[in-house]
Amino acid sequence: TQLLEQSPQFLSIQEGENLTVYCNSSSVFSSLQWYRQEPGEGPVLLVTVVTGGEVKKLKRLTFQFGDARKDSSLHITAAQPGDTGLYLCAGMFSGGYNKLIFGAGTRLAVHP
Amino acid sequence: GAVVSQHPSWVICKSGTSVKIECRSLDFQATTMFWYRQFPKQSLMLMATSNEGSKATYEQGVEKDKFLINHASLTLSTLTVTSAHPEDSSFYICSALLGGLWDTQYFGPGTRLTVL
Repeated sequence: TQLLEQSPQFLSIQEGENLTVYCNSSSVFSSLQWYRQEPGEGPVLLVTVVTGGEVKKLKRLTFQFGDARKDSSLHITAAQPGDTGLYLCAGMFSGGYNKLIFGAGTRLAVHP
Repeated sequence: GAVVSQHPSWVICKSGTSVKIECRSLDFQATTMFWYRQFPKQSLMLMATSNEGSKATYEQGVEKDKFLINHASLTLSTLTVTSAHPEDSSFYICSALLGGLWDTQYFGPGTRLTVL
């Protein structure tokens, strides 16, 4: 059974601070996605990483995929109140029939 | 692109009745769709994989006779909660798989079900 550990589960910071969210597994991902979810809405895709060591940037968000494709991180620079939400990492595993295994999520609150 | 819709967005029903939720991929065809359930303050839990033209595959612990899934076309999957009870109240979210360079799931906006 593949498990995805995501940390921290909660993060409350002031506007302008930096933060990092981590996603780890003992299994190798074929791909990993990061989503953001607002209350009462479905998850919205932020990025997909597939290559070990890959780094992708989306404005103030930086996504890294570990060399061994077992871990990933999301770094937000100079967080803003608009970044508040639930961040979810989700991985696909080879032979997993395109199913996504979700982490527990990180609930981020950015205070002005 | 890659827009997925769900209908209804919220529904309230009486205990013992059945409720149907629709999931549509609006601008792409999806041979595979997925149904998730999400409890408050928790992550998404996969219920079943819906395959066009074949039977759905249910995750362990999910009652297939209670949660009926029909993937009748390449753009539509439906989830019917039969004989709903208050414990079935939850946020149900579907996703559609878009193939390409790599396969990606795109999610619908969710359906809030409340069973009285």
